Amino acid sequence: QSVLTQPPSASGTPGQRLTISCSGTNSNIGNNYVCWYQQFPGTAPKLLICTNSQRPSGVPDRFSGSKSGTSASLAISGLRSEDEGDYYCAAWDDSLRGWVFGGGSKLTVL
Amino acid sequence: EGQLVESGGGLVQPGGSLRLSCAASGISFNYWMSWVRQAPGKGLEWVANIKPDGSEKHYVDSVKGRFTISRDNAKNSLYLQMNSLRAEDTAVYYCARHTFDVWGQGTMVTVSS
Repeated sequence: QSVLTQPPSASGTPGQRLTISCSGTNSNIGNNYVCWYQQFPGTAPKLLICTNSQRPSGVPDRFSGSKSGTSASLAISGLRSEDEGDYYCAAWDDSLRGWVFGGGSKLTVL
Repeated sequence: EGQLVESGGGLVQPGGSLRLSCAASGISFNYWMSWVRQAPGKGLEWVANIKPDGSEKHYVDSVKGRFTISRDNAKNSLYLQMNSLRAEDTAVYYCARHTFDVWGQGTMVTVSS
């Protein structure tokens, strides 16, 4: 059971705009920035965006992040087949004194 | 291009110990550094982190008292000493910088008899 809650799966068609949600509490998302990561099978995760900063160089502007209260979202516009993979949210938790991750969302491009 | 390279993983019996290393090159090491693990087929789990000067450390509850994170800034290296290993510690262990903006390739730790 992950501290941050994500839907286990998400799907969309090429060109579509899709969002993945991440729900937490005041001790994590409510009080700290949220970061999103993309992971393909057999490879290390890659930072996509944090809500308090710009995208790292090389990350397309099709990926954007937002936060409201104790929830956050990753939006992917112009969905492409190469976006298929696992997506994780993470935030620092003030009560646990550690980083917490969502359980991950597996994205399928139909 | 900057990178992090982990080493030290392997097969160990329950109750045994391992020391993981992570060497940084081409990137600034003057950041909080973390270890993050991923059990086979599972999601990411943060394990521990350490302040740039080594004066502050945090651990996930499941490893407190068993794992110790440390760093040698002169060698741009991060370490994880893992003692009293359990089957549930089996995972790929990644080192990562700051907000996990740079990751290593991971090193596999298997705890099994």
